[in-house]
Amino acid sequence: RKEVEQDPGPFNVPEGATVAFNCTYSNSASQSFFWYRQDCRKEPKLLMSVYSSGNEDGRFTAQLNRASQYISLLIRDSKLSDSATYLCVVNRGTNAGKSTFGDGTTLTVKP
Amino acid sequence: GAVVSQHPSRVICKSGTSVKIECRSLDFQATTMFWYRQFPKKSLMLMATSNEGSKATYEQGVEKDKFLINHASLTLSTLTVTSAHPEDSSFYICSARVAEGQPQHFGDGTRLSIL
Repeated sequence: RKEVEQDPGPFNVPEGATVAFNCTYSNSASQSFFWYRQDCRKEPKLLMSVYSSGNEDGRFTAQLNRASQYISLLIRDSKLSDSATYLCVVNRGTNAGKSTFGDGTTLTVKP
Repeated sequence: GAVVSQHPSRVICKSGTSVKIECRSLDFQATTMFWYRQFPKKSLMLMATSNEGSKATYEQGVEKDKFLINHASLTLSTLTVTSAHPEDSSFYICSARVAEGQPQHFGDGTRLSIL
C-alpha cells in the first residue's frame, strides 16, 4: 500500500462546477499536510497548507481528518485555469523530514 | 517570498558529459533541499535529501556516485549528473524548505536531454 494515495482521475468537469479530491495517508505520525498543483511540464506550486481546523482560500477549501487519516480539497466555481494535476503532500516530521507526494489527481475543467 | 531558482532550465548534451544543476533559495535560508526527478505523466520521485554542511541522504536505488549533491551553503545546492547517458534524460526538480513542518518550494526544474 502506498504511503499517500490519491484517486488519479481524471476528473472532467464543466466550468462553475464544484469538485472534491480526497487523499489518504497511512502513517499516523504524519504532522503536516499540503496541497500542490502542477501544470503540464512545470514544477509543483504550493496551493495551500492544510490545518486541523480546516482552512479556506478563496474558492479552495482544505480539510484534515486525522482520525480517518485523510485530507480533502474542495474547489468551488471551477475555472478553466484550475485544470492541472493536484498533489497531496504529507510530512512525517521526523528527523529526515521528508515529504511524501501522492501521485496526483488530474482535473480538466471544460467550457 | 519563498522563491527558488533552478538553473539551467534546459540542457541538451552528448552522452558521457557531466551536467551540473544549481538550486538557489533567493529570499530565504533553506536548511534542507530536495532533489527529484520526474518522467512524463509520472509522479515526482525523490532522489535525495540535502542538508547544509552534511552529506546528502540518497533514496534507495539512487546511485550517489552518479548523482553528486553538494549543499555548501544555506542558499545553494547543486546536483551533478556524472557521465550522463540517455537513460538519465528526465525532468529534474529541486525544492527548498525553511524548516520541518514547512512546505517545500520548488525550482522551475531542469529538462535534461542526453543524446
